[in-house]
Amino acid sequence: DTAVSQTPKYLVTQMGNDKSIKCEQNLGHDTMYWYKQDSKKFLKIMFSYNNKELIINETVPNRFSPKSPDKAHLNLHINSLELGDSAVYFCASSVTHRGLAKNIQYFGAGTRLSVL
Amino acid sequence: GENVEQHPSTLSVQEGDSAVIKCTYSDSASNYFPWYKQELGKRPQLIIDIRSNVGEKKDQRIAVTLNKTAKHFSLHITETQPEDSAVYFCAPMDTGRRALTFGSGTRLQVQP
Repeated sequence: DTAVSQTPKYLVTQMGNDKSIKCEQNLGHDTMYWYKQDSKKFLKIMFSYNNKELIINETVPNRFSPKSPDKAHLNLHINSLELGDSAVYFCASSVTHRGLAKNIQYFGAGTRLSVL
Repeated sequence: GENVEQHPSTLSVQEGDSAVIKCTYSDSASNYFPWYKQELGKRPQLIIDIRSNVGEKKDQRIAVTLNKTAKHFSLHITETQPEDSAVYFCAPMDTGRRALTFGSGTRLQVQP
């Protein structure tokens, strides 16, 4: 069973379109994340949710909107796609360890978005 | 927020040699220090981590050392093999945001 699954794996679309990426985890984790990895391999956090509550909202354009319907799902919707949005988007999840410094993140396989 | 610097950006070694990658961070309150490995076309995966109450941790051919005073930690890979070729990321925990801040990555190439 895949622990963190995201769909689709590949997404090719035209500039100006709206698209969504879905993520689901079956690990029972309470925190989920979206990362963007550009062509130089920089891995930047975009958003994180803890128990459906938005915790981290980095400086990303308003065109990006995350939605967490429940603890096991975190979707990413992107409006008016631009060329610069082309990247690999990774979903990840972790469990909060209260009183213990630990944050093991489990990543999905990634969604390669190509905007033409 | 946490500022993270990782060096070198690329590293090429001969099979059997050792490799060392260093990560410096700015948040003196950071208390969790993991390393992730990302093979070509794959997802990042945790390979080893250390907490601030420990100076060194070893797991077979890989080890992590931590110098909290100097605010840096290092990944050591001994007896490198071609399958060690990947991009490695340090990701110290930003205590303010309770999230990991990933370094810029080190591309390790092990030549057979």
